[in-house]
Amino acid sequence: QQQVKQSPQSLIVQKGGISIINCAYENTAFDYFPWYQQFPGKGPALLIAIRPDVSEKKEGRFTISFNKSAKQFSLHIMDSQPGDSATYFCAASRETGANNLFFGTGTRLTVIP
Amino acid sequence: DGGITQSPKYLFRKEGQNVTLSCEQNLNHDAMYWYRQDPGQGLRLIYYSQIVNDFQKGDIAEGYSVSREKKESFPLTVTSAQKNPTAFYLCASSRVRASEAFFGQGTRLTVV
Repeated sequence: QQQVKQSPQSLIVQKGGISIINCAYENTAFDYFPWYQQFPGKGPALLIAIRPDVSEKKEGRFTISFNKSAKQFSLHIMDSQPGDSATYFCAASRETGANNLFFGTGTRLTVIP
Repeated sequence: DGGITQSPKYLFRKEGQNVTLSCEQNLNHDAMYWYRQDPGQGLRLIYYSQIVNDFQKGDIAEGYSVSREKKESFPLTVTSAQKNPTAFYLCASSRVRASEAFFGQGTRLTVV
């Protein structure tokens, strides 16, 4: 059973455009929602994370929008650049350790010049 | 530099052989994890350890074994009992009861 559902599986965006990746979860006990960025052949790196006491968090060109009632959260990449081309994973957990971190299936983003 | 070091980066194994993947961290984290990544799938937890000399099975532990003799080290052995071992293996660490995980660069294992 997939605890976190992520879409789309792949995404192609023009340089300068907005990339949007969506995730949904079922377990209302989750209280930590990170996004990881992974380049080919590398390990994932934490990009940005949010907790459910806020509806939005912004760091540079990256924004997480969080809708607690809908149990959904999304990553927006503004002014997308070719260097943003990577696989993005959403995840969710209770703040009890990364052994309880559930990952989405990933979105492969390609930003074309 | 603080971080997690996985070695080797690429590993080839013949069917029926055991192979051990190395993971070392100098972040002073108590908790360490092994994940498996397959194309089109998220990361799946194999084993984790929150303290030296103790470890727990994750979602897909069958065919794998681990040890945690030192805080810095958490090697993973892929045994011949693992039916489909070809995958990208990721080691991670975190503070205990913290969900922010830091990942190594991964080891790509191929069975030939």
